[in-house]
Amino acid sequence: EVQLVQSGVEVKKPGESLKISCKGSGFSFTSYWIGWVRQMPGTGLEWMGIIYPGDSDTRYSPSFQGQVTISADNSINTAYLQWSSLKASDTAMYYCARGYCSGRPCYLNYFDYWGQGTLVPVSS
Amino acid sequence: QSVLTQPPSVSAASGQKVTISCSGSSSNIEKNYVSWYQQLPGAAPRLLIYENSRRPSGIPDRFSASKSGTSATLDIAGLQTGDEADYCCGTWDHSLNAWVFGGGTKLTVL
Repeated sequence: EVQLVQSGVEVKKPGESLKISCKGSGFSFTSYWIGWVRQMPGTGLEWMGIIYPGDSDTRYSPSFQGQVTISADNSINTAYLQWSSLKASDTAMYYCARGYCSGRPCYLNYFDYWGQGTLVPVSS
Repeated sequence: QSVLTQPPSVSAASGQKVTISCSGSSSNIEKNYVSWYQQLPGAAPRLLIYENSRRPSGIPDRFSASKSGTSATLDIAGLQTGDEADYCCGTWDHSLNAWVFGGGTKLTVL
């Protein structure tokens, strides 16, 4: 069974750093793209970026380029999303999802499996 | 403003059919596959439709979708109270070089 299990709630203050995780199981982790999606309170979904753990090829949405870093550790089938200095406006639910691309470069076709989400409240 | 435009809300009676639209442009929907996602209250999104009209295993055939030109539609037949959720379309945008989601449509079953 394909599963993406994310790390738990992280209550943070502005200026703090954070790294949240997404552990995949039930599939070949290095053969699929893993994406990150933000959902701010009461709003829709926003794509942040995607990584191919097989060769660490990483793409970012222009809206999030330079704001976050996406990485992966193949030895433990885990993808990460990290911030060096959080802002209150980063308060959101963050989802990881397995992405399917038709070839290279990656033009995403869909996200077929999703993690349960990691809630990140940022407040002083 | 989302690149893909969806109505904020739709409603229909139990047992009836509803259609949710997703309007885009030549740089996104017209050139690429569209997928649809269901997000039940308090839950993570779930893939409903991929590659314009294909259903993953486990998705009932009450859910169907199509694409024409720069627009896509999701149809839900035989509405049930359990279908009350937010529905969102998504596709790749070549101008933005990014994946884009619609703003989402909240379905209410009367």
